[in-house]
Amino acid sequence: DTGVSQNPRHKITKRGQNVTFRCDPISEHNRLYWYRQTLGQGPEFLTYFQNEAQLEKSRLLSDRFSAERPKGSFSTLEIQRTEQGDSAMYLCASSLQGTPFLEQYFGPGTRLTVT
Amino acid sequence: TQLLEQSPQFLSIQEGENLTVYCNSSSVFSSLQWYRQEPGEGPVLLVTVVTGGEVKKLKRLTFQFGDARKDSSLHITAAQPGDTGLYLCAGGSGNTGKLIFGQGTTLQVKP
Repeated sequence: DTGVSQNPRHKITKRGQNVTFRCDPISEHNRLYWYRQTLGQGPEFLTYFQNEAQLEKSRLLSDRFSAERPKGSFSTLEIQRTEQGDSAMYLCASSLQGTPFLEQYFGPGTRLTVT
Repeated sequence: TQLLEQSPQFLSIQEGENLTVYCNSSSVFSSLQWYRQEPGEGPVLLVTVVTGGEVKKLKRLTFQFGDARKDSSLHITAAQPGDTGLYLCAGGSGNTGKLIFGQGTTLQVKP
């Protein structure tokens, strides 16, 4: 049983460029979550999918951010026209609907640095 | 808005000492989870508590959920350098599974 994987692990980009991150959840998990974590803080919820449907988006997810999960398996998070404030760790987590107690399993994250 | 406040934010202790980390909220959560995170890695789930007053033990770690399901604590006995890391509490509510995280407690255990 492989865990949640994320690619790339690190991304350095210049302000104004677009970036895309990928998350592969645990294979049987139908729920997938994106969080953002800045240094010294806890993760903040961005959005989540149940199968291919995006069911909730945080106010933190501006128009420059878009997430997809086209076949209900892997997901992508795209940031357009990156800003220095977008620099953070982007975490993906997955869970199985109906699992008691809402347990989520996290990937290793993608560290984004915007210069 | 649901918030979780963790205290202390930073803790530096010697190997062998005991410590307690607190996680408090004014909101009720259906479940509360504790995670441990190492630099550059994602959080790793340690435990989930769901019943008010529940106590769970994981080797030298003891987790407690408050009677009103608004607060929780993590107690580590005889801390070891391998316990060093960021400890996060996270509350879940409703059916979405969205977690609300505290800001974390950074623990450093010196040999």
